[in-house]
Amino acid sequence: GAVVSQHPSRVICKSGTSVKIECRSLDFQATTMFWYRQFPKQSLMLMATSNEGSKATYEQGVEKDKFLINHASLTLSTLTVTSAHPEDSSFYICSGLGDTEAFFGQGTRLTVV
Amino acid sequence: AQSVTQPDIHITVSEGASLELRCNYSYGATPYLFWYVQSPGQGLQLLLKYFSGDTLVQGIKGFEAEFKRSQSSFNLRKPSVHWSDAAEYFCAVGPDTGRRALTFGSGTRLQVQP
Repeated sequence: GAVVSQHPSRVICKSGTSVKIECRSLDFQATTMFWYRQFPKQSLMLMATSNEGSKATYEQGVEKDKFLINHASLTLSTLTVTSAHPEDSSFYICSGLGDTEAFFGQGTRLTVV
Repeated sequence: AQSVTQPDIHITVSEGASLELRCNYSYGATPYLFWYVQSPGQGLQLLLKYFSGDTLVQGIKGFEAEFKRSQSSFNLRKPSVHWSDAAEYFCAVGPDTGRRALTFGSGTRLQVQP
């Protein structure tokens, strides 16, 4: 199947700093990418939907100024967690939309200390 | 609004035993149903999906699932579990073939005893 590469897989940052997470579709073009967040022992919750060349659509309760999403090309979407705080520590997973289904990245474990 | 319920948070089975993970959904139209597996610290791997047609679908790693519209269920089964099947399993529902975001259940953690 198609491959979505997410980087980094793990990151530890200091409180107040920003972290960028990249999501690349390696062998297909993803006009739409989804960003999910997963708290420990919980399910995936959709944060936002990004469409190439346009602004992302955020789910209710997700701060768009804190979670900046850029989808500048058909193969790359980025999520930047700005001014990160310990409560932002979580597992973030992206998903790229192929022709018939969505393909998931490996996820990024963010720890804010 | 669509929702997915996985009643079992944690299941333990012996290696070689059969497995059934339950999934119930609530959706106002024809659902598109998925099962994913997640190993610790990893992303999601698609096991199988149901869009239409035969209600018994076969997936990878020997898994199968049966769509029962009358029961709003899409239970995952495997006749003989292997130790490597220990992981978290998520059922998900979507409005179409995956062209929009999925709604996930809370997951079932499978433990396999030797």
